[in-house]
Amino acid sequence: QQQVKQSPQSLIVQKGGISIINCAYENTAFDYFPWYQQFPGKGPALLIAIRPDVSEKKEGRFTISFNKSAKQFSLHIMDSQPGDSATYFCAGTGGATNKLIFGTGTLLAVQP
Amino acid sequence: DTAVSQTPKYLVTQMGNDKSIKCEQNLGHDTMYWYKQDSKKFLKIMFSYNNKELIINETVPNRFSPKSPDKAHLNLHINSLELGDSAVYFCASRDTGEQYFGPGTRLTVT
Repeated sequence: QQQVKQSPQSLIVQKGGISIINCAYENTAFDYFPWYQQFPGKGPALLIAIRPDVSEKKEGRFTISFNKSAKQFSLHIMDSQPGDSATYFCAGTGGATNKLIFGTGTLLAVQP
Repeated sequence: DTAVSQTPKYLVTQMGNDKSIKCEQNLGHDTMYWYKQDSKKFLKIMFSYNNKELIINETVPNRFSPKSPDKAHLNLHINSLELGDSAVYFCASRDTGEQYFGPGTRLTVT
């Protein structure tokens, strides 16, 4: 009930390409789905987030697509840049304590 | 103007020792967390405090004891350190939605 499954584990994309990371959740009580970006030696930082009442959210080159019936959501990074190389985590949260349940992470490498 | 700070950044110690990690946030948030990130980068919540009150206590060995002297501080004390405790520990604080993470403390137990 608490898991968030994330794939792929690692991803290599050419500069200018589209990076796609997928997540699936089990807990229907989740009502907030953030994506975090983590650079080596740093803490995770919020990149973009979505609530289940919308199917898509776009901020600059980053888009979340959300499918409530399938309990899946994905992150699309358009025009990927070498500076986007980092580990990306999806997460779900909800309920009284609002604890974040993280996916297992995707290591993205954007090649110049 | 650091939002969430942790000390120390690195901690190397021997098995059996007791150590503490300190966390402070200047965001005025009521809720703070401790997360553990293992060698495979998996992030797992350990504890959460809301306004100095413990609200989340995951299945963490009781050698780990959080303490919140006020709502801006959440410290983590670890007794009788074991090799498996080696990890990066992150503190975080939250307003209505987003959680803000500190820079992490890399703990190495030898």
